[in-house]
Amino acid sequence: AIQLTHSPSSLSASVGDRVTITCRASQGISSALAWYQQKPGKPPKLLIYDVSILEGGVPSRFSGSGSGTDFTLTISSLQPEDFATYYCQHFNRYPLGFGGGTKVEIK
Amino acid sequence: QVQLQESGPGLVKPSETLSLTCTVSGGSISSIGYYWGWIRQPPGKGLEWIGSIYYSGSTYYDPSLKSRVTISVDTSKNQFSLKLSSVTAADTAIYYCARQIPAAIGWFAPWGQGTLVTVSS
Repeated sequence: AIQLTHSPSSLSASVGDRVTITCRASQGISSALAWYQQKPGKPPKLLIYDVSILEGGVPSRFSGSGSGTDFTLTISSLQPEDFATYYCQHFNRYPLGFGGGTKVEIK
Repeated sequence: QVQLQESGPGLVKPSETLSLTCTVSGGSISSIGYYWGWIRQPPGKGLEWIGSIYYSGSTYYDPSLKSRVTISVDTSKNQFSLKLSSVTAADTAIYYCARQIPAAIGWFAPWGQGTLVTVSS
């Protein structure tokens, strides 16, 4: 199975900061990657699919990039509502898999 | 808009079978172009894909759970279900159902609110 590794596993940042989260796949997954945001006590919410396509209603401060094995989620200017845990998910082939997550905390 | 809601017992005894149902509203589970999936999240941990099903009954399962998992669909009730046998404490988790886009393989949206299942005697 394809493994996804987040880095960092957690980070502290301030409102207004530019934040970049990396997701590395154990083998090439082309562009078959999605990103989710999860807040405590809530289900994950889809942010981005196909590496860089924003789900409807997602603010444009979120962006995704990458291909092959290395992918990034960038928040251009961190807002108070963005403090959450972020997960990547590959859908290159079955079994589907999620990364372990990156927790974004308030500095 | 499509909404999903998980239901089922919140407490299951070790060695017994966990059974959950996901009810889809606001759209048909028979819609071409979507699979329907189960994902779980142990307390304080990350997300684990369990399996996905198409309205026709075609399924995919995570290999680590395949011997214990059955996912089925009831199109007349607009529901799909999860059964996980021989549970242990390691199966304690929040269980989510979600729509998988596009059909054959893809990402998940929307998700149900999740239901906590605790395995304990």
